[in-house]
Amino acid sequence: GESVGLHLPTLSVQEGDNSIINCAYSNSASDYFIWYKQESGKGPQFIIDIRSNMDKRQGQRVTVLLNKTVKHLSLQIAATQPGDSAVYFCAENLGNKLTFGGGTRVLVKP
Amino acid sequence: ETGVTQTPRHLVMGMTNKKSLKCEQHLGHNAMYWYKQSAKKPLELMFVYNFKEQTENNSVPSRFSPECPNSSHLFLHLHTLQPEDSALYLCASSQEAENTEAFFGQGTRLTVV
Repeated sequence: GESVGLHLPTLSVQEGDNSIINCAYSNSASDYFIWYKQESGKGPQFIIDIRSNMDKRQGQRVTVLLNKTVKHLSLQIAATQPGDSAVYFCAENLGNKLTFGGGTRVLVKP
Repeated sequence: ETGVTQTPRHLVMGMTNKKSLKCEQHLGHNAMYWYKQSAKKPLELMFVYNFKEQTENNSVPSRFSPECPNSSHLFLHLHTLQPEDSALYLCASSQEAENTEAFFGQGTRLTVV
C-alpha cells in the first residue's frame, strides 16, 4: 500500500485461514462505516459498508461487524487468499466527512 | 478501474513551481474529494465539493487551492509547496456527500524537491 514508512499493525495469516481485522472509531455519532482495501500502487477500493442501524453485514467472503457500544468495527475475511494481501482501512462517516483509520497490513502466507 | 481518473500519476516539482493535479469522474456523482496520504500519517481529508460547491476545507494551507468547475472535474492547484507536502494525493467521488461509498482514483504521487 501507500503507507510505506507508516508503522502499521500487521496481520500474518495462512492462506485458507480466516482473517479478522479490527478498528476502533472515534465518534459515537458516526452513522455509516466503510472498509477499504488498498493494494500497492493503487487507490483504496471499497469492500463493504454498514450503517449504524445494523450490527452485521455480509458480502462475498467478507463480513463486517459493528459494535456501537464500544465503538468497534471488524472485518472478517473467510478463506484468505494471496490476493487479499493489502492494507485495510476502516472509515467512519459523519456528515460529509469520511475519516479513515490508520490501516492494518494483511500478509497472506502461502 | 473505478471510474475516477487522476493525472498525472507521478509529479516532481520544485518549491517555486506551480502545478495542477486533475481528477475526472465518469460515474455521475455529485460529490468529489481530495485526500492526502503521506508516509507518516493515515489518509487525511483535505477538501469536499458537493454539487460544485466547496463544503469542507480541513484546515489545508493556502498553497493548496482546489477548483471544481463542474461535478465531473476537480483540480488541485499547487504553488510554493514544501518538501513535507510530498505524498500521494487521492481524489474520490461519491453519489452524495453523506453516507455513500466513495470511489477513489489511483492517486498522484507528488515529490517536492
